Amino acid sequence: KQEVTQIPAALSVPEGENLVLNCSFTDSAIYNLQWFRQDPGKGLTSLLLIQSSQREQTSGRLNASLDKSSGRSTLYIAASQPGDSATYLCAVFTGANSKLTFGKGITLSVRP
Amino acid sequence: EAQVTQNPRYLITVTGKKLTVTCSQNMNHEYMSWYRQDPGLGLRQIYYSMNVEVTDKGDVPEGYKVSRKEKRNFPLILESPSPNQTSLYFCASRLLQGDTQYFGPGTRLTVL
Repeated sequence: KQEVTQIPAALSVPEGENLVLNCSFTDSAIYNLQWFRQDPGKGLTSLLLIQSSQREQTSGRLNASLDKSSGRSTLYIAASQPGDSATYLCAVFTGANSKLTFGKGITLSVRP
Repeated sequence: EAQVTQNPRYLITVTGKKLTVTCSQNMNHEYMSWYRQDPGLGLRQIYYSMNVEVTDKGDVPEGYKVSRKEKRNFPLILESPSPNQTSLYFCASRLLQGDTQYFGPGTRLTVL
């Protein structure tokens, strides 16, 4: 059974800092991995999707990497801003049951 | 605007009173899913659908029903809601198996 872990559960950093959010998964037979952002009481917004054959994806200040063999992904946020404060979730898609298996998320707080 | 919509956004009801949460997408997506999000448990899949008239159970289907009579709609039905179904519910859709998954804004359900 696929399990996705995100540690730590919460993170607080000063504005301007570069930071890395980690995600690990137990079964390397994944189809793709997706990073989402969730603001309090809101839905999930897709940030980046990495296919299993890819090593990384970039969008603006965000860069996500994938090491399938070791079961790890990282989301790198450059020059963090208070507006980046949110919960970040990673999810893996294995193709089975057409579902994403989610981590519990990392709640990020960027202090002005 | 491409989007997944859910209604209602907030609902307070009583045990045993049947309710339906609607979900609609305007992107002509094949795949649709329902998830529930609970503190400490994260997001878990309830049901999914790969196409019209094709639905299947996810991880936590007990107490829920779905139907997919049209491609764009995927309602979630609680025939006899119970307090343990109090949760934040999300509908999601994607075009193909490995594509980005898009989420609706969520429905916060409270069952008294």
